[in-house]
Amino acid sequence: NAGVTQTPKFRILKIGQSMTLQCTQDMNHNYMYWYRQDPGMGLKLIYYSVGAGITDKGEVPNGYNVSRSTTEDFPLRLELAAPSQTSVYFCASSYLGTPDRGEGELFFGEGSRLTVL
Amino acid sequence: QKEVEQNSGPLSVPEGAIASLNCTYSDRGSQSFFWYRQYSGKSPELIMSIYSNGDKEDGRFTAQLNKASQYVSLLIRDSQPSDSATYLCAVNMKSNYQLIWGAGTKLIIKP
Repeated sequence: NAGVTQTPKFRILKIGQSMTLQCTQDMNHNYMYWYRQDPGMGLKLIYYSVGAGITDKGEVPNGYNVSRSTTEDFPLRLELAAPSQTSVYFCASSYLGTPDRGEGELFFGEGSRLTVL
Repeated sequence: QKEVEQNSGPLSVPEGAIASLNCTYSDRGSQSFFWYRQYSGKSPELIMSIYSNGDKEDGRFTAQLNKASQYVSLLIRDSQPSDSATYLCAVNMKSNYQLIWGAGTKLIIKP
């Protein structure tokens, strides 16, 4: 039961570098999300996807890009890393159905701690 | 601006007592409400979900929803040290299928 798998778990970047955070889920969920969590703060939505080929911006999309070529994979690309992108990143997935089928319940990956110096 | 508000805490509760966590939300049209628990350095995990007014019980946990007053609460009975964590309230605002998250309440259970 893998669930949602994120890699890498830790990464240090220099300012201006780029990288991709990988996320894959094996639950056949329609919805996938990327969040960031800063210390003492709630989760902020970066991007989300309602299915393969469809992505949309969340609250804080600037400096990031995503793609969803398959149901399983939802990578997050950081271009030109900045210190403000230092955070913990969580990938999550959900099955969006009717309330009695757990609409809105998110399954999270273990998180990726990114530091930009 | 659609918001979810929580007291950041920390909330300190003696072992064996009842812990009460509260959350208010701004969007009156919200449909689904969730409590997630997050241990330090870990990812959030779902504790309770509630969709209609009233109480919903699951073991030591009870979620309470009052849509008229726009608040949702979580009660933890017989609190254990293992309940020490940050509790995140999340609200599904139907208009865009996204969850809006509170900043979380840090709960400390003292032995």
